Amino acid sequence: NAGVTQTPKFRILKIGQSMTLQCTQDMNHNYMYWYRQDPGMGLKLIYYSVGAGITDKGEVPNGYNVSRSTTEDFPLRLELAAPSQTSVYFCASSYGDSHPYEQYFGPGTRLTVT
Amino acid sequence: AQRVTQPEKLLSVFKGAPVELKCNYSYSGSPELFWYVQYSRQRLQLLLRHISRESIKGFTADLNKGETSFHLKKPFAQEEDSAMYYCAVVAGGTSYGKLTFGQGTILTVHP
Repeated sequence: NAGVTQTPKFRILKIGQSMTLQCTQDMNHNYMYWYRQDPGMGLKLIYYSVGAGITDKGEVPNGYNVSRSTTEDFPLRLELAAPSQTSVYFCASSYGDSHPYEQYFGPGTRLTVT
Repeated sequence: AQRVTQPEKLLSVFKGAPVELKCNYSYSGSPELFWYVQYSRQRLQLLLRHISRESIKGFTADLNKGETSFHLKKPFAQEEDSAMYYCAVVAGGTSYGKLTFGQGTILTVHP
């Protein structure tokens, strides 16, 4: 099992550009999450999904969109990149509420917006 | 609102010394608490959870509901324990496993 994979590993965007961060898991997990990690701030939840076709906002959703067309994939879309979106982005997945909430994380995508 | 506080951004100890990473939470109901760890060039991974009352890599953490704390302890630190440690909380009930993280503590164990 590859677990949770994320692409790209690094990306530099200009202000106003758009991009999609890809996330795939091969563990047949129902729940998937996107977090951003800012220095000294811990991880904050952007969006989450409890199954294909079902998504909801987390703590910091502004400037982002997600979709979940399959169990495996949970892409994160940035429409108009802003310097405030410079961060490290982590995707995670878990079985769901029937298990004690262990989340499996991807390696992260480091994004810089200039 | 739920909040997790890790008061120390940096913690340095010498090998063989005891180490305690502090975590306080502000939460109503019956939350579940976790410690996650990120070693250098590795993914964030679960270290331990309070409901299991287990010891992983010599680390233990006891939930103190009176003090709303979940401090991580190890009696004899090793160099390989150097990492970033995050305390995290999940609300009880139908929370969909959403984690709220503390700010993290970077632990450095010197030889």
